Amino acid sequence: GENVEQHPSTLSVQEGDSAVIKCTYSDSASNYFPWYKQELGKGPQLIIDIRSNVGEKKDQRIAVTLNKTAKHFSLHITETQPEDSAVYFCAASLLGNQFYFGTGTSLTVIP
Amino acid sequence: GAVVSQHPSRVICKSGTSVKIECRSLDFQATTMFWYRQFPKQSLMLMATSNEGSKATYEQGVEKDKFLINHASLTLSTLTVTSAHPEDSSFYICSAAQGAEQPQHFGDGTRLSIL
Repeated sequence: GENVEQHPSTLSVQEGDSAVIKCTYSDSASNYFPWYKQELGKGPQLIIDIRSNVGEKKDQRIAVTLNKTAKHFSLHITETQPEDSAVYFCAASLLGNQFYFGTGTSLTVIP
Repeated sequence: GAVVSQHPSRVICKSGTSVKIECRSLDFQATTMFWYRQFPKQSLMLMATSNEGSKATYEQGVEKDKFLINHASLTLSTLTVTSAHPEDSSFYICSAAQGAEQPQHFGDGTRLSIL
């Protein structure tokens, strides 16, 4: 089955700086890679996703890049704000099938 | 769009009680719903996949007689934790997908505490 690794497990950045979270996956058949933000006591919220036919996708301060050859994808958050503080999960899947989640990154943005 | 509502948000009950958790897709029809369990500071562990009108598919190690799943309509799935014990205490989260090529959208979870 698929195996997703996520790094780092914790990340602290100063407000205004950029944050990068990286994930690798093992199954080359995976074709869908969402990123979720989870705030304390709540369910994960989809913030951005990318499909395997695209190398990069951007939505305001958030961007995701995908390298299919190397089987890794990354989340980039620019101009970080305190409200970006949360746990972020990457996932990989063959669309229509189960998601395989990374272990999560706890991001703290220091005002 | 793509709102998933989960109820209740928190349950505290005595050991031996059965607890039902509801997951509803509010503005879309969900052909597939998923149930996850999450331990503190850990990732989401898939328990089962539920397709409308058919039996749920449980992950290895998840007791289907313990965690009963019903997906009777395209907007509602329920998870019943039968005869709950303290070790069943956890954060349970559902998600729903509109179709085979669509992303999962999550509810806000249910914090279950068994005394």
